[in-house]
This record gives sequence, C-alpha cells and structure tokens, in this order.
Amino acid sequence: GAGVSQTPSNKVTEKGKYVELRCDPISGHTALYWYRQSLGQGPEFLIYFQGTGAADDSGLPNDRFFAVRPEGSVSTLKIQRTERGDSAVYLCASSSSGYEQFFGPGTRLTVL
Amino acid sequence: TQLLEQSPQFLSIQEGENLTVYCNSSSVFSSLQWYRQEPGEGPVLLVTVVTGGEVKKLKRLTFQFGDARKDSSLHITAAQPGDTGLYLCAGPQGAQKLVFGQGTRLTINP
Repeated sequence: GAGVSQTPSNKVTEKGKYVELRCDPISGHTALYWYRQSLGQGPEFLIYFQGTGAADDSGLPNDRFFAVRPEGSVSTLKIQRTERGDSAVYLCASSSSGYEQFFGPGTRLTVL
Repeated sequence: TQLLEQSPQFLSIQEGENLTVYCNSSSVFSSLQWYRQEPGEGPVLLVTVVTGGEVKKLKRLTFQFGDARKDSSLHITAAQPGDTGLYLCAGPQGAQKLVFGQGTRLTINP
C-alpha cells in the first residue's frame, strides 16, 4: 500500500515569506507527527495529532509555526515570516498505534 | 528532557569488517528503537527493544538493550556496502513523541 507522502519534496523561499508543507499519512492512521531534522542531527519533535486535534504541540519552536489537520487525514505545517534558521528537512510520520511510526521522505526547506 | 547520545558520529570501514555503534542516556527508557535513514528518505524502523538485557537479531545486525534500560548498541557483522546509511536510536518521551539521538553516519567501502 501507499506510504506517507509529503509535498513538495523541496522548497526554496526567501526570508520573510510564508510556506506550507503538506503531509498525506497512511490511510487509516489516526496519529500524525511532524519532526524537523537539521543537517547532521536526528529528527526533533514538533507536533502530534490524534485525529483532528493537536494532542501535543510542545515542540513548535515559536508562534511562527502552526499545523492543522482539519479532517483527521492530511496535515499542513505552516511557517510564517520564515528565517534562515528554519532551513531543515521537515519529516511527517503516521501511526495506527503510536508504537511504530512510519515516516515520509520529508520536505527539504531552504530559506535564502 | 531525556537525551540520547550516539557514538561514534561518523564511522567508515571496509566491507567485511565488524562494527558496533552505541546509544546512551542518563535516563531510563521504557523502550528504544533503531532506525536507518538513507539520503532523501525518512527513517525506517529496524527494531524495538523493550526488556532490559534484551538481544534481538536481524540477519547480520544484533541489537542489545542495556540491563538498566539506559543504553543500547547495534552490532553489524561482516558489513556490506548496502549497510551504508544514518543509524538513529530513538526512545519514547511522554505518551507518543519520540526523542532521537543525533545519529551515526556509517559508510562501508567496497
């Protein structure tokens, strides 16, 4: 079956611009996670959804970051007023149990 | 916040050699997971260890969870070029989210 998909695969933007990153989870998975992976580092947790609601958003670095999952399936991570420090790979994962998370290929965001 | 430290950060060896990479913490984890990540892809789960002292084998890969559940190791026997990748350990923090180590970047030279 289809795995987790993320679009776009690459996004280049200018400092101060707004970006949206999309995640399509595995069908039927109720849990969805966003992580950020900087160069040479492991993924860092950003936010976790159970169904439509954000169950834990403690990893969002500041109020420029926001994520939604309006119908309990597709999720969008939104970043306002992007900064060069936001450059990273943004990973999405989904799970049916929380025990095993299945990761998408990521979106590589570059802020110039 | 629970932290996971991996060592070494980089490892380059010849095909056929054995190697061990480590994942250490000062905190106790209920379980630890090992992932492998290739360029342009997301991490893929290799194994989950749950019980202190547990040993799991996946072909040429042997995973061990420390008795005190604060550390884990991954041993690869007779490494092959296909084993090249970023190896990440991760543990649960709270109910659902994972905390990852910084990874070990492994290169196996033919």
